[in-house]
Amino acid sequence: GENVEQHPSTLSVQEGDSAVIKCTYSDSASNYFPWYKQELGKGPQLIIDIRSNVGEKKDQRIAVTLNKTAKHFSLHITETQPEDSAVYFCAASRGNTPLVFGKGTRLSVIA
Amino acid sequence: SQTIHQWPATLVQPVGSPLSLECTVEGTSNPNLYWYRQAAGRGLQLLFYSVGIGQISSEVPQNLSASRPQDRQFILSSKKLLLSDSGFYLCAWAQHYNQPQHFGDGTRLSIL
Repeated sequence: GENVEQHPSTLSVQEGDSAVIKCTYSDSASNYFPWYKQELGKGPQLIIDIRSNVGEKKDQRIAVTLNKTAKHFSLHITETQPEDSAVYFCAASRGNTPLVFGKGTRLSVIA
Repeated sequence: SQTIHQWPATLVQPVGSPLSLECTVEGTSNPNLYWYRQAAGRGLQLLFYSVGIGQISSEVPQNLSASRPQDRQFILSSKKLLLSDSGFYLCAWAQHYNQPQHFGDGTRLSIL
């Protein structure tokens, strides 16, 4: 089955700097890759997703890139703010099985 | 618009007691439904998922069971809770496997 590895497990950045979280997946048939943000005590919230027919997608300060050949995808957050501090999860799906999640990255933005 | 409701928000139960957590979805039909557990500071462990009424798939053997008595209702149960059942339980729905999953606010379960 699918296996998703996420790195780093923790990340600290200065406010205003960029943050990058990387995920690799094992199943070349996976075609849907969402990213979730989980704040303390709440359920994860979808922040951006990408499908295998697209290489990059942006939404204001957030972008996701996908390299199908290398089987990895990354989340990029620019101009980080304290409210970006949270746990971020990547996930992958091949379309006929549930999402497989990475283990999460705890991002701390230091003011 | 679609909404997901999960209750209770917090629950404290003694070891050996039964459990029933309920999740309902509004504004959609025939969704995929999911139960996850999250230990403190850890990732999301998929417990059960359902693609239709009465259809339950279990991802890990455990002290828990799930049922889907109605299209938009998903219930997580246990006959006798163990200390290891403590955690943050999340319900989620999606229109299809490769569509976004939308999570509820979770239930924090503490076993004493």
